[in-house]
Amino acid sequence: KAGVTQTPRYLIKTRGQQVTLSCSPISGHRSVSWYQQTPGQGLQFLFEYFSETQRNKGNFPGRFSGRQFSNSRSEMNVSTLELGDSALYLCASSLVGGKGWNTEAFFGQGTRLTVV
Amino acid sequence: GQNIDQPTEMTATEGAIVQINCTYQTSGFNGLFWYQQHAGEAPTFLSYNVLDGLEEKGRFSSFLSRSKGYSYLLLKELQMKDSASYLCAVVNQAGTALIFGKGTTLSVSS
Repeated sequence: KAGVTQTPRYLIKTRGQQVTLSCSPISGHRSVSWYQQTPGQGLQFLFEYFSETQRNKGNFPGRFSGRQFSNSRSEMNVSTLELGDSALYLCASSLVGGKGWNTEAFFGQGTRLTVV
Repeated sequence: GQNIDQPTEMTATEGAIVQINCTYQTSGFNGLFWYQQHAGEAPTFLSYNVLDGLEEKGRFSSFLSRSKGYSYLLLKELQMKDSASYLCAVVNQAGTALIFGKGTTLSVSS
């Protein structure tokens, strides 16, 4: 069974540009979450999608957005990039239980974004 | 709000036992996860606690006390390959996201 796949693995962008990252969840997983990981702040929750709907959003500016497609694949977009957006962006997929709660999160290898 | 604290760094020697503590203050509690992350790799699941007590899985055990807002991860018979970052994460009130501590970097030496 294939794991969570994130593309691209590495990306270098210039300040002011925008970027789109992609995540393909494990087959059958309908919840996709995105996290930003930096040395100073650790893993911080960006947003979560289930059945093409954003159910939860972390404390990030509106420049960070995402969406989920009908096949559960997800993309996140960062517009007007800033130097501080340089980070590892991790995607995780989960099954969703009866209460609508996510079960164990399986993480992808991440996309390393460098803004110069 | 939610706050999760764990030590930044720990060191230990091969064969020893190490305990990594995690304290949390959250509005509502739906469970606590421990993940392991080797440098340059994705976090991988270690354990999940939702009720008080100890969960044992091979060399790794995790303990939870909900009344104290406290958990620990116990690693026995340490091996060099256990050198990694250990992440404590609490499930948010909606059950839809993980709120992570900043992680504990464990260095195991021979």
